[in-house]
Amino acid sequence: EVQLLESGGGLVQPGGSLRLSCEASGFIFSTYWIHWVRQAPGKGLVWVSRISTDGTTTNYADSVKGRFNISRDNAKNTVFLQMNSLRAEDTAVYYCVRPTGSYFDWGQGTLVTVSS
Amino acid sequence: QSALTQPASVSGSPGQSITVSCTGTSSDFGGYKFVSWYQQHPGKAPTVMIYEVSKRPSGVSNRFSGSKSGNTASLTISGLQAEDEAHYYCSSYTTTSTVEFGGGTKVTVL
Repeated sequence: EVQLLESGGGLVQPGGSLRLSCEASGFIFSTYWIHWVRQAPGKGLVWVSRISTDGTTTNYADSVKGRFNISRDNAKNTVFLQMNSLRAEDTAVYYCVRPTGSYFDWGQGTLVTVSS
Repeated sequence: QSALTQPASVSGSPGQSITVSCTGTSSDFGGYKFVSWYQQHPGKAPTVMIYEVSKRPSGVSNRFSGSKSGNTASLTISGLQAEDEAHYYCSSYTTTSTVEFGGGTKVTVL
């Protein structure tokens, strides 16, 4: 069974940093790109970032470019999202997702709250 | 503002059919057939209901169907049931290989 387990969310002050982790199991992790998608409270889904199988290719939404960094450790079946210079508008549930051909399998998400 | 446009809400009575639309541009849909639809109940993660415009994953009811015409994709739910009440999001890969989502549609069963 495919499992994606996010962790690392919490309350952080504006301007602060947070590192999210996504630990995967149930599939050959190193053969899949991994994405992050977020959802602000009461709002829709927004794509954030993605990383290639070997970590050499990364892409970011304009709203997080220069502030967020995605990386992966294939030996530990884990993807990371380092979030710096956090803003109130970054408050959201962050989902780790695995593209399965043309659709996503989703983790349960981790909540990030940016507030003073 | 989402690049893919969905109606904010659609409602129907039990047993009726409803359709949720998702409109974008040619670059949004990229000419690909990679349009998918996700159902999300409150407090839960999204789950896929339709992929590649009209395919259903194993386990999804055949009451759910998808189609696409030009730059508008559609999700139809036939025989509407109380359990179908949820938010629905369309999604597509773009010509630049990024992913876009629609703003979401709340489906209400009257």
